Amino acid sequence: GENVEQHPSTLSVQEGDSAVIKCTYSDSASNYFPWYKQELGKRPQLIIDIRSNVGEKKDQRIAVTLNKTAKHFSLHITETQPEDSAVYFCAALRGGGATNKLIFGTGTLLAVQP
Amino acid sequence: GAVVSQHPSRVICKSGTSVKIECRSLDFQATTMFWYRQFPKKSLMLMATSNEGSKATYEQGVEKDKFLINHASLTLSTLTVTSAHPEDSSFYICSAGTVSYNEQFFGPGTRLTVL
Repeated sequence: GENVEQHPSTLSVQEGDSAVIKCTYSDSASNYFPWYKQELGKRPQLIIDIRSNVGEKKDQRIAVTLNKTAKHFSLHITETQPEDSAVYFCAALRGGGATNKLIFGTGTLLAVQP
Repeated sequence: GAVVSQHPSRVICKSGTSVKIECRSLDFQATTMFWYRQFPKKSLMLMATSNEGSKATYEQGVEKDKFLINHASLTLSTLTVTSAHPEDSSFYICSAGTVSYNEQFFGPGTRLTVL
């Protein structure tokens, strides 16, 4: 089955700096890679996603890159702000059919220091 | 995005009782619903996948007789924690999706505390 590893587990940056979180996956058939932001006690919120036919996607201060050959994908947050502080999860999904299981990484606690 | 509700948001029960958690997709028909469990400072662990009208598929290590899942309609799935024990205390989150679209929409979660 799919296995997703995520690094680092904690990340502290100064406001305005960039933050990068990396994930690797094991199933080469995985074709959808979302990133979620979760604040304490709340639901995960999708912040960006990328499909396997695309190498990079950007949405304002957030970008995701995907290297299918190496089976890794990364989240990049630029110009970080204190409100970016949260736990971030990557996930991988092998789509198609009735069972689209999301396998989550272990999470990264991002702290943006003002 | 699509809206998924979950009820109750918080429940405290005595050991040995059963607790039912509801997950509803409010503005779309969810062919598939997923149930996750999350321990403090940990990741989301998939418990089971349920498709409308069929039996749920449980992940390895999840007791199907302990965690009963019913997906009776395209907008409602329920998770019943039977004979709850303190070790069942956790944050339970559902998500809903469709066969044709990979994105899953998460409910707000249910905090279960078993005394």
